[in-house]
Amino acid sequence: QTVVTQEPSFSVSPGGTITLTCGLNSGSVSTNYYPSWYQQTPGQAPRTLIYSTNTRSSGVPDRFSGSILGNKAALTITGAQAEDESDYYCVLYMGNYIWLFGGGTKLTVL
Amino acid sequence: QVQLVESGGGVVQPGGSLRLSCAASAIHPMDWVRQAPGKGLEWVAFIQSDGNIKSYAASVRGRFTISRDNSKNTLYLQMDSLRTEDAAVYYCAVGESYAFKYWGQGTLVTVSS
Repeated sequence: QTVVTQEPSFSVSPGGTITLTCGLNSGSVSTNYYPSWYQQTPGQAPRTLIYSTNTRSSGVPDRFSGSILGNKAALTITGAQAEDESDYYCVLYMGNYIWLFGGGTKLTVL
Repeated sequence: QVQLVESGGGVVQPGGSLRLSCAASAIHPMDWVRQAPGKGLEWVAFIQSDGNIKSYAASVRGRFTISRDNSKNTLYLQMDSLRTEDAAVYYCAVGESYAFKYWGQGTLVTVSS
């Protein structure tokens, strides 16, 4: 069974830089998986941050960036702000119109 | 900006059925994504703009049916044989560039006897 892996939790200091990753339990993530990233705060709908590996969605600050690092997709926040404290989810396109979410990363800014 | 408004959530007994709707401001490929209480997001189903291509997560295949009425710009999710583990907030989303570009606010489904 294919599982998309994410760090369960992470913390960053205000103004700091952090990289969240999105991997596969078997195999490497490449651009062919069209990784996308979503931010969600409690009680709110998800917000699309990044799609197709590194394209920022409209209105997303440029401190958010996406890439492939090694064998994983990555979301980097450069200059984290208090309002970035949220849950972050990655999604991989598995082909044949099937998508898989990672389990999410809870980011604390303190 | 695409506007999405879900409706149809509610309380249903295990084994029961429910139909969710999502009113959209335009015609796009669409998805349903759900989130159980305190859990992560889970992709549920996809439908192409013309309705000719549909796909489902293994957890709902054979029980849920995605459909659309483009004359009404409305997306549906027919949920049958509901289980307690189907309880979640259900979001509709616009599928674009292999991602979920726009999201509705969600509708809550509770499965309980």
